[in-house]
Amino acid sequence: GENVEQHPSTLSVQEGDSAVIKCTYSDSASNYFPWYKQELGKGPQLIIDIRSNVGEKKDQRIAVTLNKTAKHFSLHITETQPEDSAVYFCAASRVSKAAGNKLTFGGGTRVLVKP
Amino acid sequence: EAGVTQFPSHSVIEKGQTVTLRCDPISGHDNLYWYRRVMGKEIKFLLHFVKESKQDESGMPNNRFLAERTGGTYSTLKVQPAELEDSGVYFCASSPRSLAGYNEQFFGPGTRLTVL
Repeated sequence: GENVEQHPSTLSVQEGDSAVIKCTYSDSASNYFPWYKQELGKGPQLIIDIRSNVGEKKDQRIAVTLNKTAKHFSLHITETQPEDSAVYFCAASRVSKAAGNKLTFGGGTRVLVKP
Repeated sequence: EAGVTQFPSHSVIEKGQTVTLRCDPISGHDNLYWYRRVMGKEIKFLLHFVKESKQDESGMPNNRFLAERTGGTYSTLKVQPAELEDSGVYFCASSPRSLAGYNEQFFGPGTRLTVL
C-alpha cells in the first residue's frame, strides 16, 4: 500500500519568512496530492491540492510542487503570518471509481510562526 | 450550510467498555470516510461509505470496530470492547459524489477517545 513520509515534523519560522514542507510517497499510481491545515480544536481543512498531470499550483501565498519521477511533493508558504501557525498534513491518493479516494497521510508538520 | 459534525467531542472510557461515535456528514454528500490519529502519529484511513454501502473497509483494525451508515445519512462507529491502543482522535470526512473522484474531503472536528 501507499506510504507517505513528511518532513520536518516541526518548523519554526520568523514572521515574513518562507516555510517549506516536503513529502515523499511510495505508490507511483497515486495521482492526487492534497495538503491540509489543522488548527487547534478543529478538523483538517484543505488548503491546496495538486493532481499528477500538473507540476506546480499556486494560490496566493501558498504553492505546491510535484515531482512524479522522484515521487515527492512540497508545500511552500511565503510571507508567513502568525495565523499560519498550525499542523500541516500532506496526503496522497489513487483516485478512481474503484479506489474511492481514500487518503494516505504524512505524519504532520507543526509550524510555528514567531512574530 | 453546516459542516461535518461529530459527537461526542470527547469520550473517556475504561478498557473493556463500549463506545459509539457519531458522524453527521454535509447534507447530500454520498461519500463518508472514517479516519483516526493515534498517539500523535499520522492520520490513518479506516473505511469509506458510498451512501449506505461500505466501499472500502481495508483500514479497520480488527473486528472490535463496527461502522454503520443506515439510510445513507449519518454514520456510527462502535468500538466494543475498547482497548488501550484505541485511544486517539477519530475523524469523519464527507465528500460529494463525483465521476472523476477528485473531490475535497471535508473533515469534522474529531472525537477524542481516551481508553483508561
